[in-house]
Amino acid sequence: NAGVMQNPRHLVRRRGQEARLRCSPVKGHSHVYWYRQLPEEGLKFMVYLQKENIIDESGMPKERFSAEFPKEGPSILRIQQVVRGDSAAYFCASSQNGWTEAFFGQGTRLTVV
Amino acid sequence: GENVEQHPSTLSVQEGDSAVIKCTYSDSASNYFPWYKQELGKGPQLIIDIRSNVGEKKDQRIAVTLNKTAKHFSLHITETQPEDSAVYFCAAITRRGSQGNLIFGKGTKLSVKP
Repeated sequence: NAGVMQNPRHLVRRRGQEARLRCSPVKGHSHVYWYRQLPEEGLKFMVYLQKENIIDESGMPKERFSAEFPKEGPSILRIQQVVRGDSAAYFCASSQNGWTEAFFGQGTRLTVV
Repeated sequence: GENVEQHPSTLSVQEGDSAVIKCTYSDSASNYFPWYKQELGKGPQLIIDIRSNVGEKKDQRIAVTLNKTAKHFSLHITETQPEDSAVYFCAAITRRGSQGNLIFGKGTKLSVKP
């Protein structure tokens, strides 16, 4: 859905650098989900946020990964000290109330070199 | 937590034939079941959904059925066309209060041969 904007679309980072992935949800949506996808694989849940709150982060590694969804501005997925294994497509989805239609952005493809 | 199983992982059909993809879920409290289509290099696109108070929903060539007792739901595509070739994901949401978590199956790669 064109309403969910992710940027950048492609991101290249060297090992040890930080990656910041941004997701602007559909206007009026206050629930955001982040997923990770490896080539030829499914969508692996990482974290579920509601404005200013983390609802479920059970799918997100405890080390190096963090996410936020501030009152103002986009949701940010931050990966510190990236490693080659972090290379993947990261998708976010937004929902108005958490239990109805969720729409995805086009993803950020992270490549760690 | 919720677990969603999806079968088959790959499906090849001739143009004009029907395609059926099946999913099962584990949490009887799940109450919303969307289907997504993902084309190469793009984000998943919501194509149809069904709520737990409905047994079947149809939108042109695609339909979804839900069996709450058996905890399974299926996507049916009739008169398939080459542009239907993509990866299809089923998902389930369990609403708890003001929140709901969206859990996906592993996907089905559909190939429609002209």
